[in-house]
Amino acid sequence: DIRMTQSPSTLSASVGDRVTLSCRASQSLVRWLAWYQQQPGKAPRLLIYQASTLESGVPSRFSGSGSGTEFTLTISSLQPDDFATYYCQQYNSFPWTFGQGTKVEIK
Amino acid sequence: EVQLMESGGGLVKPGGSVRLSCATSGFIFGSMTMSWVRQTPGKGLEWLGRIKATTDGGTTDYPAPVKDRFTISRDDSKSMLYLQLNSLKSDDTGIYYCTTSSGSFDRWGQGTLVTVSS
Repeated sequence: DIRMTQSPSTLSASVGDRVTLSCRASQSLVRWLAWYQQQPGKAPRLLIYQASTLESGVPSRFSGSGSGTEFTLTISSLQPDDFATYYCQQYNSFPWTFGQGTKVEIK
Repeated sequence: EVQLMESGGGLVKPGGSVRLSCATSGFIFGSMTMSWVRQTPGKGLEWLGRIKATTDGGTTDYPAPVKDRFTISRDDSKSMLYLQLNSLKSDDTGIYYCTTSSGSFDRWGQGTLVTVSS
């Protein structure tokens, strides 16, 4: 199975900050990687697929980059709604697997 | 608008079984590959398997840990997705989500809670 490792586990930031979240895979994904946001008590929401393609309706302050085994999610200017937990997920090979998440909290 | 709504969760005894349902609307269900994903305190988010679109053969794929215990099925005439859970253990306790899936999980239901406890 492909192991997905996210860092940091928790990130403290302020409204307006630029934040970068990392996701590392145990083997190459090419670009078959997605990012999700999960608010407390809600289902995850797809933000980005194929490493850098923004899902319809997702604000442009979110962006994804990377290929192979190293990927990043960047929020250019953190908004109050963005304080949440973020997960990466690979779909390069079965079984599809998730990272353990990065919680973005208010500093 | 795509809508997914799970039901069927609740309290189940260890070793027991339960069938979860997912009612869908807002898209051509028979043309959509669907997955189940769960979120547990111990393992976080975990993909439980998928069923391909009927137009693509309708076959299933499962990860090894659940392959012999969980079964995904679909009823295109009702736009319904199902997940049969057998031989349940305490670490199966969690929230179970149905999703549309093209590799990534594009749309999610609100989830249904399954609690395995005596």
